[in-house]
Amino acid sequence: GQSLEQPSEVTAVEGAIVQINCTYQTSGFYGLSWYQQHDGGAPTFLSYNALDGLEETGRFSSFLSRSDSYGYLLLQELQMKDSASYFCAVRLNTGFQKLVFGTGTRLLVSP
Amino acid sequence: GAVVSQHPSRVICKSGTSVKIECRSLDFQATTMFWYRQFPKQSLMLMATSNEGSKATYEQGVEKDKFLINHASLTLSTLTVTSAHPEDSSFYICSARDLAGGETQYFGPGTRLLVL
Repeated sequence: GQSLEQPSEVTAVEGAIVQINCTYQTSGFYGLSWYQQHDGGAPTFLSYNALDGLEETGRFSSFLSRSDSYGYLLLQELQMKDSASYFCAVRLNTGFQKLVFGTGTRLLVSP
Repeated sequence: GAVVSQHPSRVICKSGTSVKIECRSLDFQATTMFWYRQFPKQSLMLMATSNEGSKATYEQGVEKDKFLINHASLTLSTLTVTSAHPEDSSFYICSARDLAGGETQYFGPGTRLLVL
């Protein structure tokens, strides 16, 4: 089976930096993605790592260590609108390269 | 960016009826589309992979006779929840990747199903 573990909830204040971790055990690995989902909405793509290292996209950065089966999403200069659920997702390198989602982390940003 | 649409966005039905949900890729072609289900405050669970012109591939534990999938063209996949029951009430989300390539998997806005 597939297992992707994330902390269930993280709280932070505006302007702060927060890191959301993801550890995974999957039958195959092609890359690690991160998605943001606001309540009632669809997931929106944030970043993708296929190789080890850090990918930076504006205020968001994502890191991957394939040897450790570990990645994280780093959110800087937090804003109230960043309050949402964040999911890591592994793209499998088998079959149709389907995307398997982590347990999700609810981020609450306070003033 | 690429857009995936779903219809309807919300549906309420009586127990025992069937509900069809459409998923369309609006500006790209998708050989493969994915159907997910999400219960409140939980993660997205992959139900099945929809393949254009062939049978869908279902995840373990998902009843193929209950969740009928038809991928009739490179831009349309449908999910029919047959004989719906209250426990089928959930948020159903489809997703697709551009046939032309790329790493991004695009998600539809989701369909909220409530079975009374």
